[in-house]
Amino acid sequence: QSVLTQPPSASGTPGQRVTISCSGITSNIGGDSVNWFQHLPGTAPKLLIFLNNQRPSGVPARFSGSKSGTSASLAINGLQSEDEADYFCAIWDDSLNAWVFGGGTKLTVL
Amino acid sequence: EVQIVESGGDLVRPGGSLRLSCAASAFTFINYNMNWFRRAPGKGLEWVAYIGSASAAIYYADSVKGRFTVSRDNAKNSMFLQMKSLRAEDTAFYYCARENTYCTSDVCGGALDYWGLGTLVTVSS
Repeated sequence: QSVLTQPPSASGTPGQRVTISCSGITSNIGGDSVNWFQHLPGTAPKLLIFLNNQRPSGVPARFSGSKSGTSASLAINGLQSEDEADYFCAIWDDSLNAWVFGGGTKLTVL
Repeated sequence: EVQIVESGGDLVRPGGSLRLSCAASAFTFINYNMNWFRRAPGKGLEWVAYIGSASAAIYYADSVKGRFTVSRDNAKNSMFLQMKSLRAEDTAFYYCARENTYCTSDVCGGALDYWGLGTLVTVSS
């Protein structure tokens, strides 16, 4: 059972917009900033979003993040086949002294 | 270019021990907190352990507390994970990640900005 809640799967066709949600509680998402990662097994996890909505250099602008209250979202505009991967939200929970993750969302590009 | 490379993964029997290493380069290692994570087959990413830049703060996931020990050697730009009493459920790819702190005009927070490719630990008889 993950501390943060994500839908297990999402899908879209090339060019579409897809959003992935991540919900928590006041003591985690409500008080800390969210990271989003893209991961394909056998590769290094890749940071897509930090501080809720900031993109590291090199991450395409079609990836965006937002947070409201105890929920966060990752949006992918102009979906591409190479976006097919697992996506995870995570925060540092000060009350637990731990990084906590969502269970992950498997994105399929149809 | 920042590089993080994990090593030491292997096949080990239940109850056995293993030591993982994480070698960092192209950044000032002593300035950063570091973490271990893992991803088991068919499961999600899971945090394993945190070690502060000067090793003053160390935290563990409940699932490994008392069995795993994280350490670092700043002179050698390296972090380690000593694992003992290994169980089948410890089977996973283990990843090392750098933790950085970023700020905007209204918020500061941590980000796991660089990761390694991982090393595979298999616990099986």
